[in-house]
Amino acid sequence: EDKVVQSPLSLVVHEGDTVTLNCSYEVTNFRSLLWYKQEKKAPTFLFMLTSSGIEKKSGRLSSILDKKELFSILNITATQTGDSAVYLCAVTTSGTYKYIFGTGTRLKVLA
Amino acid sequence: ETGVTQTPRHLVMGMTNKKSLKCEQHLGHNAMYWYKQSAKKPLELMFVYNFKEQTENNSVPSRFSPECPNSSHLFLHLHTLQPEDSALYLCASSEGGQGNNYGYTFGSGTRLTVV
Repeated sequence: EDKVVQSPLSLVVHEGDTVTLNCSYEVTNFRSLLWYKQEKKAPTFLFMLTSSGIEKKSGRLSSILDKKELFSILNITATQTGDSAVYLCAVTTSGTYKYIFGTGTRLKVLA
Repeated sequence: ETGVTQTPRHLVMGMTNKKSLKCEQHLGHNAMYWYKQSAKKPLELMFVYNFKEQTENNSVPSRFSPECPNSSHLFLHLHTLQPEDSALYLCASSEGGQGNNYGYTFGSGTRLTVV
């Protein structure tokens, strides 16, 4: 059965800290891995990763995929209270339309 | 706003009621999805429509009935729900086509409470 596992489930840090969120997966016919940020309701798209070893970066956020070890990490440097959210990881497979989501990591950044 | 609009934002309904959730997008996307988000559980895919055709029904109970009259609108009709159906229902859209190489755009969801 296809599955996506995120860790940790929750995390509390102080402003300025750097955090690393993990996503591992076991799926058949992997196509891509995506990260989303969910603050209140609508998850918003962060990154899509398809190739191993190529870092994607957006401001203080960056992510990388390891297709050999079947995982991805999302790094957030110099965290701010506005980074507080649930971070969702999802994997897509070839020939289907659906995403397989992990349970998410709830990040709380304290001022 | 993300470009995907869901109404209502909140809904409280009794187990004998019939109600409908609405999703609308004007992003030119051809695929639309219903997901259920319960506390401490991964998002669960319910239905997929691609070019108005239902391509996936993920073993959803018949008390949930989707309708996709055109590529811009998606409905979820609800009847005789159970308290465990209380959750956040998220609609999403994407460019569609064979395989899913494109990110979803999500709506803000409908928070449903069944009493």
